[in-house]
Amino acid sequence: AQSVTQLGSHVSVSEGALVLLRCNYSSSVPPYLFWYVQYPNQGLQLLLKYTSAATLVKGINGFEAEFKKSETSFHLTKPSAHMSDAAEYFCAVSERGAGNNRKLIWGLGTSLGVNP
Amino acid sequence: GAVVSQHPSRVICKSGTSVKIECRSLDFQATTMFWYRQFPKQSLMLMATSNEGSKATYEQGVEKDKFLINHASLTLSTLTVTSAHPEDSSFYICSATTSGGVTDTQYFGPGTRLTVL
Repeated sequence: AQSVTQLGSHVSVSEGALVLLRCNYSSSVPPYLFWYVQYPNQGLQLLLKYTSAATLVKGINGFEAEFKKSETSFHLTKPSAHMSDAAEYFCAVSERGAGNNRKLIWGLGTSLGVNP
Repeated sequence: GAVVSQHPSRVICKSGTSVKIECRSLDFQATTMFWYRQFPKQSLMLMATSNEGSKATYEQGVEKDKFLINHASLTLSTLTVTSAHPEDSSFYICSATTSGGVTDTQYFGPGTRLTVL
């Protein structure tokens, strides 16, 4: 079974600083990886996904993530944090479920705080 | 595009009653829908996967007789919490994909907050 580990349940940065949210996965097959964001009182929204094409994936709102097979990592970064980036961020890996369905295995999430 | 709605957004009910939550894909056909439960400050726990026109597949430990899922059309899935008890109070979230394939994006609804008194 695959698993996802997000290091740090809470990360706090200053506005304008680099954002780095860590995600490591375990998978016996080539993984398909996702980052989702959950703003307060809202549903989850896809930030970006890795589907075995380019290892550096660009997403919405200036976020990007790099797939590193040797490190089994898919860390999320943004060069300059904005106050509006404060949210809960989830990393997930796609796994085959029952039948032909796929399901997402989720990390525990990282809460990003942005200080003015 | 790819909007998923949930109704109601918030429901309070008495212990022993049943509650139905609707999940709709507004601008696409969802062959596969997922139901999650999210506890405060925790990750999402997948409850079941449903394909249109067939029985839902429940994750281990989820009572299928308590959490009834119906995926009657390509745009609607319902979750009914039967004989709800206070421990069923939680945030229920649905998501939908077009095919449930390997790289398919799941589009999430805004969630339903259930409180059982």
